[in-house]
Amino acid sequence: KAGVTQTPRYLIKTRGQQVTLSCSPISGHRSVSWYQQTPGQGLQFLFEYFSETQRNKGNFPGRFSGRQFSNSRSEMNVSTLELGDSALYLCASQPAGGGTGELFFGEGSRLTVL
Amino acid sequence: GIQVEQSPPDLILQEGANSTLRCNFSDSVNNLQWFHQNPWGQLINLFYIPSGTKQNGRLSATTVATERYSLLYISSSQTTDSGVYFCAVNFGNEKLTFGTGTRLTIIP
Repeated sequence: KAGVTQTPRYLIKTRGQQVTLSCSPISGHRSVSWYQQTPGQGLQFLFEYFSETQRNKGNFPGRFSGRQFSNSRSEMNVSTLELGDSALYLCASQPAGGGTGELFFGEGSRLTVL
Repeated sequence: GIQVEQSPPDLILQEGANSTLRCNFSDSVNNLQWFHQNPWGQLINLFYIPSGTKQNGRLSATTVATERYSLLYISSSQTTDSGVYFCAVNFGNEKLTFGTGTRLTIIP
């Protein structure tokens, strides 16, 4: 059974650009959540999607957005990139939504903003 | 929201030693997981343990939900155990909250 797949693994952008990250959950999993990890702030929750609906949202500005498709794949987008957006972005999936059950993480997308 | 504290923040041990990592949380939870973050950044599942005790090889974990803490035990440490260990908790539909982690360094 394939794990959670995130693409791209590494990317470099400049300030002001926008970026889209992709996450394919484990087959059969319907919930996808996104986390940002930085040295200063640790692991912070961005948002969770279940059946194409956003169920939970963390405390991030509106420049951070996401969506989920009917096949449960998810994308997150960051517009007008800032230096502080440099981080490891982790995606996780679980069978059902609502925060219960074991979470499985992908390898992450490491974003560098210059 | 739920507050999660992990201790110690850093731990340096000789290969072969045993260690205990602690996770304290401020409120009732129905979901608690332990992860090991490898050098490439991926979070590897260790235990899903909202309550009780589980063992997997040299690793075991115990969660005492009524007293709001969980312990991760690593026995006979190996250099491959090095990395950062996180616990993460939530209750109901709330978002998963991570602790700040314990950085474990195993010296050969």
